[in-house]
Amino acid sequence: DAKTTQPNSMESNEEEPVHLPCNHSTISGTDYIHWYRQLPSQGPEYVIHGLTSNVNNRMASLAIAEDRKSSTLILHRATLRDAAVYYCILRDYTDKLIFGTGTRLQVFP
Amino acid sequence: DADVTQTPRNRITKTGKRIMLECSQTKGHDRMYWYRQDPGLGLRLIYYSFDVKDINKGEISDGYSVSRQAQAKFSLSLESAIPNQTALYFCATSEGIKDSGANVLTFGAGSRLTVL
Repeated sequence: DAKTTQPNSMESNEEEPVHLPCNHSTISGTDYIHWYRQLPSQGPEYVIHGLTSNVNNRMASLAIAEDRKSSTLILHRATLRDAAVYYCILRDYTDKLIFGTGTRLQVFP
Repeated sequence: DADVTQTPRNRITKTGKRIMLECSQTKGHDRMYWYRQDPGLGLRLIYYSFDVKDINKGEISDGYSVSRQAQAKFSLSLESAIPNQTALYFCATSEGIKDSGANVLTFGAGSRLTVL
């Protein structure tokens, strides 16, 4: 299974944009890039996913590098409720979804 | 009601006891998963099932077994619990769009298990 690399932790101030990076240099052509987040004391929740093109939804944007070896999750205006662990995961057609340790995002008022 | 329901939410048991964690879903999804999370770590895949007759081992299946009783139900059993199985367990579901990595997971709230 292809692996991802993320920083252990990041910090942001409230209402500022946050760019969470993810490296996935061994990605294959059919792997989708998924992002999930886990709020304190909750199960993970889906944030966004993409294959090749940049994606936007109500929660975030996903910017995918042209060679697909890296991607960035963008929270346009961080709020205190965005403090969570963010997981970047590659998902292939076998449908196993292997999590790493993620990035812990702290948001300060 | 939650889309994915896990029971019990909390359980304390003793070494050697048999424990079953249950998961039920109302999303009509074919695919169900069991993950384990240890403090400060990410999630590790224990077992996954693509339909009632298709069950597969994940990264860490030793010491665990599963049963897919129906499309909506997927149970995880610890036949003889040991202390290092103390963890937070999550059930998840996803659609089964064939040959697609686009399927999105929906997680339950988790079952916290403590083995003394």
